[in-house]
Amino acid sequence: DQQVKQNSPSLSVQEGRISILNCDYTNSMFDYFLWYKKYPAEGPTFLISISSIKDKNEDGRFTVFLNKSAKHLSLHIVPSQPGDSAVYFCAASARRQGGSEKLVFGKGTKLTVNP
Amino acid sequence: ETGVTQTPRHLVMGMTNKKSLKCEQHLGHNAMYWYKQSAKKPLELMFVYSLEERVENNSVPSRFSPECPNSSHLFLHLHTLQPEDSALYLCASSPWDSTDTQYFGPGTRLTVL
Repeated sequence: DQQVKQNSPSLSVQEGRISILNCDYTNSMFDYFLWYKKYPAEGPTFLISISSIKDKNEDGRFTVFLNKSAKHLSLHIVPSQPGDSAVYFCAASARRQGGSEKLVFGKGTKLTVNP
Repeated sequence: ETGVTQTPRHLVMGMTNKKSLKCEQHLGHNAMYWYKQSAKKPLELMFVYSLEERVENNSVPSRFSPECPNSSHLFLHLHTLQPEDSALYLCASSPWDSTDTQYFGPGTRLTVL
């Protein structure tokens, strides 16, 4: 059973507009969430994260929103640029549990930003 | 060279072959990971090494055998693999006290014939 779900396998957006990537999770023990970005032939690279004590974290064009009651987070990219075209993975971990803070990943959403 | 490197980048092997994947990190981290990424599936954690000791093995078949000779190097030894083992194998590293902040290598694309 998938604990982290990215229900949209792909998303296409026009350059300059907002991209919204969604992620849902089922494990209420998750308290730290991350977004990774992956280009073809490269490994995933860390993009932005958010702790469960916050509901928003912003870094330049990237903002992550967390809705704990809905067990939902989203990544907003504005304005979108063609270089943002990549696969975006949502990941979660349960830091409070101690031990190894295993990352659980979603399947990814392929974002295409059209010029 | 900086970051996390993996060799080879591509590997084709038969089911009776023995091969090894290599990962090297230049970040001063002391936790290292092997992940498997199959088509249309999430990244699956296979093994975790922390301070050169294996701390997690996610029910991986014994035809995959990890080795961590020091905190900078991680190997994945492969033998008698099956075609369904064809996937992208990703290595990652992190500080041992911040294991959810992981840095990934580019991966090895493995094809088993």
